[in-house]
Amino acid sequence: GDSVTQMEGPVTLSEEAFLTINCTYTATGYPSLFWYVQYPGEGLQLLLKATKADDKGSNKGFEATYRKETTSFHLEKGSVQVSDSAVYFCALINDYKLSFGAGTTVTVRA
Amino acid sequence: EAGVAQSPRYKIIEKRQSVAFWCNPISGHATLYWYQQILGQGPKLLIQFQNNGVVDDSQLPKDRFSAERLKGVDSTLKIQPAKLEDSAVYLCASSPLARQGSSYEQYFGPGTRLTVT
Repeated sequence: GDSVTQMEGPVTLSEEAFLTINCTYTATGYPSLFWYVQYPGEGLQLLLKATKADDKGSNKGFEATYRKETTSFHLEKGSVQVSDSAVYFCALINDYKLSFGAGTTVTVRA
Repeated sequence: EAGVAQSPRYKIIEKRQSVAFWCNPISGHATLYWYQQILGQGPKLLIQFQNNGVVDDSQLPKDRFSAERLKGVDSTLKIQPAKLEDSAVYLCASSPLARQGSSYEQYFGPGTRLTVT
């Protein structure tokens, strides 16, 4: 079946540091890829998505590129803020089924 | 546009008791999902409805969990009897009509945090 593997956390960074969270997937066919974010005390929110190979999703300074050749969808942000502290989930949809990675907790210190 | 509504937000029960969660999806969304999120893990799909029909309940522990979506709008998820390992956040999500090959975004509610003691 489909699966998503993402970098284990927790990750602790200083403000303005560069953030990368690795994500790789296994799936048949042509899944769409997502990054969801869960801020403390809140529900899951879609951060960005990409629906086909070489697409780049971007939002709030975060970016991720759909790399079919390496089956990856790594999340990056050039300069993090304290408000980016959250749990980040990589996910894919294949045949309308959404599969999540285990999540990576990111803490940004001032 | 109103988001996905869930209640209650928190529930504490003793093992062997029963509990029910309620979800109201975004208006017009045909597809509704229930997920279980255990601490430290990603959400796991329990059941998916398309209108009022079940599309996928392969991961629902049917000996103790049940769900319904009467009239194809809101939905309830019930656990009876609860076990300690059912302690988790139960998330409801909705999306426009899901078809094979579709990539519609799922919109999540705030979740219900269940603690079984």
